[in-house]
Amino acid sequence: AQRVTQPEKLLSVFKGAPVELKCNYSYSGSPELFWYVQYSRQRLQLLLRHISRESIKGFTADLNKGETSFHLKKPFAQEEDSAMYYCALRGLGGGADGLTFGKGTHLIIQP
Amino acid sequence: GAGVSQSPRYKVAKRGQDVALRCDPISGHVSLFWYQQALGQGPEFLTYFQNEAQLDKSGLPSDRFFAERPEGSVSTLKIQRTQQEDSAVYLCASSSIGEQFFGPGTRLTVL
Repeated sequence: AQRVTQPEKLLSVFKGAPVELKCNYSYSGSPELFWYVQYSRQRLQLLLRHISRESIKGFTADLNKGETSFHLKKPFAQEEDSAMYYCALRGLGGGADGLTFGKGTHLIIQP
Repeated sequence: GAGVSQSPRYKVAKRGQDVALRCDPISGHVSLFWYQQALGQGPEFLTYFQNEAQLDKSGLPSDRFFAERPEGSVSTLKIQRTQQEDSAVYLCASSSIGEQFFGPGTRLTVL
C-alpha cells in the first residue's frame, strides 16, 4: 500500500528563517511526488512536482529515493507562505491516477 | 478561464437523508476525481473517471456512495442514507495531462 507521512502537523517559523516541511513516502514502484498548498479561504493548488524540478515561489523539493523523502524547502520564509501544505504521491505506470495525500502541515510564518 | 466548480458549497443533511454533490470540471478535461477530506486530514481518493468511464472506485467507503459522469463532463457524487461519519469536505478535481485542478469543495455536515 502506498502512504505519505508528514510528521509535523504545525510548523511555526519567523519571517526570514529557513523552512523545511518534511514528507516521507512508501511505495513499491516509482512514484510521482507533488506538493500542494492551500492558502486561507482558497482552493487546493499545485505548488510543485518532482519531475519538473522547478523552484516555485522560492520553494524547492528534491526526491530522495534512498530515504523515500520529498522534503519542501525555502531558504527565507515570507509571511505570505503561511498556509496548509500537503505532500502527495501518484503511482507511475498503470493503476489509479488518484493522489495519495499526507495529513498536511500547517505552516505559520511569524513577523 | 473558469476553474472547477462544485455545488452546493455547503450542505447540511439529517442522518439517513440522501445527498447529491455536483462537480463541473474544466471544459475539455478528460479525467475527473473525487476526494473526501475529513477535518484535520488530507484528502482521500474516492473515485476516478476517464470521460464517462469510472475506471477506479476503490476508495468509495461503502455501497452508500455512488458516482456518475454520464456524458463525460459534469459528475455527481451521491451518498445514500447519510451517516455522521460522512461529514467531510468533498473535493472534485479534473485534469487533462498531469496536473489535477481542484474545486472549492462541498462541505457536508450530517446531523
